[in-house]
Amino acid sequence: DAGVIQSPRHEVTEMGQEVTLRCKPISGHDYLFWYRQTMMRGLELLIYFNNNVPIDDSGMPEDRFSAKMPNASFSTLKIQPSEPRDSAVYFCASSPHGDHQETQYFGPGTRLLVL
Amino acid sequence: AQSVTQLGSHVSVSEGALVLLRCNYSSSVPPYLFWYVQYPNQGLQLLLKYTSAATLVKGINGFEAEFKKSETSFHLTKPSAHMSDAAEYFCAVSRGGYQKVTFGTGTKLQVIP
Repeated sequence: DAGVIQSPRHEVTEMGQEVTLRCKPISGHDYLFWYRQTMMRGLELLIYFNNNVPIDDSGMPEDRFSAKMPNASFSTLKIQPSEPRDSAVYFCASSPHGDHQETQYFGPGTRLLVL
Repeated sequence: AQSVTQLGSHVSVSEGALVLLRCNYSSSVPPYLFWYVQYPNQGLQLLLKYTSAATLVKGINGFEAEFKKSETSFHLTKPSAHMSDAAEYFCAVSRGGYQKVTFGTGTKLQVIP
């Protein structure tokens, strides 16, 4: 398996622009997570899905952030409008159902810089 | 609520020396505990996890961790550090049965030749 795939790997944009981050989880995994990593705040869970349904979005910082999972093989995290304080590395992770459901498999991340 | 505290944001060891990374947890129920490793410019990768079976857990790359309920600790050790162990290590906790995982702030391990 190719693992969790994220695109783009790097994104540079200007304040006010819309940013869309994409994730393809590992096939057969029921859970998908979006995290944000910064030096100041560490690794923060933004939202997670189970079988394409959002379960907990309490970590989404504000209404400018939205996430969707239209099917089992694709998810997006959108920021509109973007702000410099959104600059961070955004990770997508997926997790299987069953005995190993606690183990999360992380993608390589998208490094976002908002100017 | 559940949380983990990692003592020391940076740890330096000499190549061949013992690696000890500290993690203390707080949980109102028996926890599931994890150690993840992050190499530069990569995502996190599971090293090992404790899910209420054996208290001494062996992971990949020669790492192991011991769950000590009396000390609420889950410290990560490796007998002999290798240059390739230089990375950032994250301790994490969940309630198990799929519940949200909470990560610590991370410890950067430097290995000195």
